[in-house]
Amino acid sequence: ELKVEQNPLFLSMQEGKNYTIYCNYSTTSDRLYWYRQDPGKSLESLFVLLSNGAVKQEGRLMASLDTKARLSTLHITAAVHDLSATYFCAVADRGSTLGRLYFGRGTQLTVWP
Amino acid sequence: EAQVTQNPRYLITVTGKKLTVTCSQNMNHEYMSWYRQDPGLGLRQIYYSMNVEVTDKGDVPEGYKVSRKEKRNFPLILESPSPNQTSLYFCASSLSGTWRSTDTQYFGPGTRLTVL
Repeated sequence: ELKVEQNPLFLSMQEGKNYTIYCNYSTTSDRLYWYRQDPGKSLESLFVLLSNGAVKQEGRLMASLDTKARLSTLHITAAVHDLSATYFCAVADRGSTLGRLYFGRGTQLTVWP
Repeated sequence: EAQVTQNPRYLITVTGKKLTVTCSQNMNHEYMSWYRQDPGLGLRQIYYSMNVEVTDKGDVPEGYKVSRKEKRNFPLILESPSPNQTSLYFCASSLSGTWRSTDTQYFGPGTRLTVL
């Protein structure tokens, strides 16, 4: 079974600072997704990463995928309060259980002034 | 407006009383999925469906049933709910579940279920 590990689970950072969230997974996959969830809300798709070396950027967030290391990162540049949310990575199983999607436990990000 | 809808949004019930949570999407998506979200555990997949009449188990299927008789609907059935099924449930859909494209999942608003 595919395991997905996110670090850190809680992140408190000051506005203007940079930080990185890590997502490790246990078996081969080349489909990784990042989602954002605001408190009391549903999930919103941020990035879809489809191949080794893929990099996507949107505003202050940049996501990358290294399939050989089984690692994705979500980098936050010059954080602002509006980025406070919980961020999830999810990995697709492309093996015998095609259609399965495995989520990390989430990183709860709080950005303070 | 493209969307995934779930009903009800909130439900309090008692142990053993059968219930159904409906999920509907208007995007002609092939793939639909149910997740439960519990504090500290992230989202866990319950069941998913690759197309009409094609369903399969996710991580935590015990105590749940699903059916996919029409493309747009994917109801979640709890035949005999128990307190450990108290959770926040999300339905999601995407164009396909083969992960060969940039398809992303669209999530419904969630159903908060409490089983007493």
